[in-house]
Amino acid sequence: SQKIEQNSEALNIQEGKTATLTCNYTNYSPAYLQWYRQDPGRGPVFLLLIRENEKEKRKERLKVTFDTTLKQSLFHITASQPADSATYLCALEAAGNKLTFGGGTRVLVKP
Amino acid sequence: EPEVTQTPSHQVTQMGQEVILRCVPISNHLYFYWYRQILGQKVEFLVSFYNNEISEKSEIFDDQFSVERPDGSNFTLKIRSTKLEDSAMYFCASNIRGSADNEQFFGPGTRLTVL
Repeated sequence: SQKIEQNSEALNIQEGKTATLTCNYTNYSPAYLQWYRQDPGRGPVFLLLIRENEKEKRKERLKVTFDTTLKQSLFHITASQPADSATYLCALEAAGNKLTFGGGTRVLVKP
Repeated sequence: EPEVTQTPSHQVTQMGQEVILRCVPISNHLYFYWYRQILGQKVEFLVSFYNNEISEKSEIFDDQFSVERPDGSNFTLKIRSTKLEDSAMYFCASNIRGSADNEQFFGPGTRLTVL
């Protein structure tokens, strides 16, 4: 069966450092991979989308890579700030038009 | 900036009762979705809707669930006879194209508590 795995342990990081999050998937061949941010009690907010033929995508302090051979995406937050503290969700296109989400990784940026 | 809105923000109901959760998607979007998130768990797909019909549904979306677009703006999720395990956050989402090559815009959610 299809699986998406994100590190369930919280990532504690010092302000100014780079946070790196991992999304691994099995039994998938997604054409697109998306990353969302979710704050407690709120809906997911879209951050970045990367296509299978793209190796890397950047948006401001965010960078996403997509390795279809390793079946892995890495999500980087550079020069992290306390306001970046949130849960980050990886989402893959499944059959049809639905998104299948990973369990998310909580990031806590300490001043 | 346009946003998806949902009402109510919190709904408390007794087991066996019917609930209707309401959403107003972004006005020029054509594809609509419901997801749910049980506390501490993953966001799970329930159903997608396009052109006034369900385009896909998950195994969670059984006969107790239904969706409707009663007018040009609202998109509703009905649970006919709620169970304790239906307690969760329910998120509505919408996007312009139904494929995963564009972002989905999520609403703030409705917290459903079934007692």
